[in-house]
Amino acid sequence: NAGVTQTPKFQVLKTGQSMTLQCAQDMNHEYMSWYRQDPGMGLRLIHYSVGAGITDQGEVPNGYNVSRSTTEDFPLRLLSAAPSQTSVYFCASSYLGTANEKLFFGSGTQLSVL
Amino acid sequence: GQQLNQSPQSMFIQEGEDVSMNCTSSSIFNTWLWYKQDPGEGPVLLIALYKAGELTSNGRLTAQFGITRKDSFLNISASIPSDVGIYFCAGRGRGSNYKLTFGKGTLLTVNP
Repeated sequence: NAGVTQTPKFQVLKTGQSMTLQCAQDMNHEYMSWYRQDPGMGLRLIHYSVGAGITDQGEVPNGYNVSRSTTEDFPLRLLSAAPSQTSVYFCASSYLGTANEKLFFGSGTQLSVL
Repeated sequence: GQQLNQSPQSMFIQEGEDVSMNCTSSSIFNTWLWYKQDPGEGPVLLIALYKAGELTSNGRLTAQFGITRKDSFLNISASIPSDVGIYFCAGRGRGSNYKLTFGKGTLLTVNP
């Protein structure tokens, strides 16, 4: 099993550019989520999904879009990048149910917006 | 929303020392989790707690779910250099659906 795979590992964008961060998991997890990590801020939830076709907003959703067309994939889209979106992004997945909190994380995407 | 206060923010200790860190919540949590993050990697789950008063160990790590349901503690005994990293607490409270709230992390440095 590869677990949770994120691409790219690093990305530099100019303000106003768009891009998609990819996330894939091969564990058949129903639940997938995106977090951003900023110095001194911990991990903040951006969007999450409990299954294909179902998404919902987290704590900091503005400026980000998601979709879930398959169980395996959960891409995060930045339509018009802003410097405030410079951060490290983590995708995480888990089973639903009583143990749904056992999130498995990808290795992260470091994004810089100039 | 739910808030978690994690302390201390950072610790610098000598190899062999014991370490304690804690998290407190402004509201009742049903689940407490402790994660460790190595540089350049995503967080990895260390311990999960599901019942008030629960005490769970994972090797040299021990975590407890506070009896008030508003706090949790993580202890590391006999620290070694590979314990270096950022430790996060995370919790899920009532009515939070599937959302986990994370603390801001404790940066642990171990001096060999």
